[in-house]
Amino acid sequence: SAVISQKPSRDICQRGTSLTIQCQVDSQVTMMFWYRQQPGQSLTLIATANQGSEATYESGFVIDKFPISRPNLTFSTLTVSNMSPEDSSIYLCSVRAGTRTETQYFGPGTRLLVL
Amino acid sequence: KQEVTQIPAALSVPEGENLVLNCSFTDSAIYNLQWFRQDPGKGLTSLLLIQSSQREQTSGRLNASLDKSSGRSTLYIAASQPGDSATYLCAVGTGANNLFFGTGTRLTVIP
Repeated sequence: SAVISQKPSRDICQRGTSLTIQCQVDSQVTMMFWYRQQPGQSLTLIATANQGSEATYESGFVIDKFPISRPNLTFSTLTVSNMSPEDSSIYLCSVRAGTRTETQYFGPGTRLLVL
Repeated sequence: KQEVTQIPAALSVPEGENLVLNCSFTDSAIYNLQWFRQDPGKGLTSLLLIQSSQREQTSGRLNASLDKSSGRSTLYIAASQPGDSATYLCAVGTGANNLFFGTGTRLTVIP
């Protein structure tokens, strides 16, 4: 299994500003995933972050808006840039870990409200 | 693109009742299917993972079935308890990195 922590747990931000969300895992993992869950919606994958390479973004998400860092095998950050109220969501970090590597583990999420 | 639907969106049952949550997906070419529960402020917890070659998985009072050909999965919860109250999410893995999630079923078990 994997234990994932995220910071901050929640934040209220003004439009036009940026917020960086941190994700820490208690074990080394190759791939880390960032998801977004908008109010009343299902989770949507933003990007996959591999250590030592550029993140891979899903359709509809771009690096300029959601830059990602992956400096080592236990840590990643997601920045939500130039925020607007439409960015108000829960952002979740996720990894696959353990002997059953298909099982996916999620952090507690960062609840973001943009005014 | 894979689309995942969960019915019902919300469900309230008295404690002790058995219940079934439903999940359907549009593309049967899946790699696996997972059921998660989501508790407010606690992220998602993986409950059961079914490989595409499997028909069901069991863990305690939970049993998940998979019918790939019809694009359906069910999560059966036996003898429900108030602690089972949460949102239950179904997610389909396609072999790539992405999991396609349903919008969930919000379950309330009434003491």
